[in-house]
Amino acid sequence: DAGVTQSPTHLIKTRGQQVTLRCSPKSGHDTVSWYQQALGQGPQFIFQYYEEEERQRGNFPDRFSGHQFPNYSSELNVNALLLGDSALYLCASSLSGPGNTGELFFGEGSRLTVL
Amino acid sequence: AQKVTQAQTEISVVEKEDVTLDCVYETRDTTYYLFWYKQPPSGELVFLIRRNSFDEQNEISGRYSWNFQKSTSSFNFTITASQVVDSAVYFCALSLFSPYTGANSKLTFGKGITLSVRP
Repeated sequence: DAGVTQSPTHLIKTRGQQVTLRCSPKSGHDTVSWYQQALGQGPQFIFQYYEEEERQRGNFPDRFSGHQFPNYSSELNVNALLLGDSALYLCASSLSGPGNTGELFFGEGSRLTVL
Repeated sequence: AQKVTQAQTEISVVEKEDVTLDCVYETRDTTYYLFWYKQPPSGELVFLIRRNSFDEQNEISGRYSWNFQKSTSSFNFTITASQVVDSAVYFCALSLFSPYTGANSKLTFGKGITLSVRP
């Protein structure tokens, strides 16, 4: 049973560029959440997608956008990259509805470096 | 707003010592969930435990135990007879129950505690 998979694992971009990160949730899960983890900090919630719509959003600017596809996979897009966007981006999947236990399964993350 | 404080930043122990990781949380909601996650160097967050705000019963799972006290807003984690494989960053987190998202709400994390277990 494949867990949460993310791609790419590492990438380097320059300021002003745009980046797309991808996530495939754990089999059977329908909800995807994205978190940003700066070095030495705890993860911070960016947003959550369910039924192809953004359901919750954290305190992040509109430069951060996302999408969920019918197969439940998801993308995180960041436009006009800033140096401060350098971080580990974690995707987490879960199951909504009656089977919801609140438990998130995390991927290993995509480490973004902005130069 | 919710807040999770992990005052300890780094802890170093010798193998077989017991170690307690502290977690203090703040929320005005009465229904919430508390979590502990482990983050090894690979980066993946590994789920350890979830407790809801109505269940203050302490829990033991092998060498791990958790002490939840609403009176002090604390949810502490103890590793008994620590091992080198326990070396990792440990995060405490809180989420709120929402009629819209159920228990599947966003997590608010603490800053984490880096635990080093020396042989």
